[in-house]
Amino acid sequence: QVQLVQSGAEVKKPGASVKVSCAASGYTFTGFYLHWVRQTPGQGLEWMGWINPNSGVTSYAQKFQGRVTMTRDSSISSAYMELRRLKSDDTAVYYCARDVTPSEVPAATGWFAPWGQGTLVTVSA
Amino acid sequence: EIVMTQSPATLSVSPGEEATLSCRASQSIRSNLAWYQQKPGQAPRLLIYAASTRATGIPARFSGSGSGTEFTLTVSSLQSEDFGVYFCQQYGNWPPWTFGQGTKVEIK
Repeated sequence: QVQLVQSGAEVKKPGASVKVSCAASGYTFTGFYLHWVRQTPGQGLEWMGWINPNSGVTSYAQKFQGRVTMTRDSSISSAYMELRRLKSDDTAVYYCARDVTPSEVPAATGWFAPWGQGTLVTVSA
Repeated sequence: EIVMTQSPATLSVSPGEEATLSCRASQSIRSNLAWYQQKPGQAPRLLIYAASTRATGIPARFSGSGSGTEFTLTVSSLQSEDFGVYFCQQYGNWPPWTFGQGTKVEIK
């Protein structure tokens, strides 16, 4: 079955960086767009950006521009999200989620299924 | 950015009763709306896409309706496993993809 498995919880200090991984199985990894979404009690679900696993092209939410980088390693069907200059309000559960849009389409356009299990990132001094 | 507003914030329902959840978009998104269910400690799960199409494996008691700016998710005859938080998401005007703040469906 289609599955996304993420890396484990992280604790980071303010100003540090975190890199979360998302390993795909059960489908052709390069075939569909992947998004990153975070969830906090205060902000709810917040879209961060997407990556085309085939081309490596990315699109980031304006809020995270300059602080986030999304990459992929197609040889191991994995995507990565790195967030830099962490602040306390970056404390959240980070999810990867597959879009239904095929990667040959110029941009992601659809809904998300499935989602990874989530990775808790805690930013604390 | 399209703002998604869900109501009510919390819905108390007895098992076997019907639950009706609302989602409003700040501008028209045609039928480009999805609904997700989330249980504590789990990731969101897709229930409905294109406003009214059930995802694979979703029971028929879940139904979606609406277009433009007003949408509804109805869960007929609530089962114990249906309690949790429900989110709507628009994918008609991006970026960014945006989500409602969620409706918590709890046992009455």
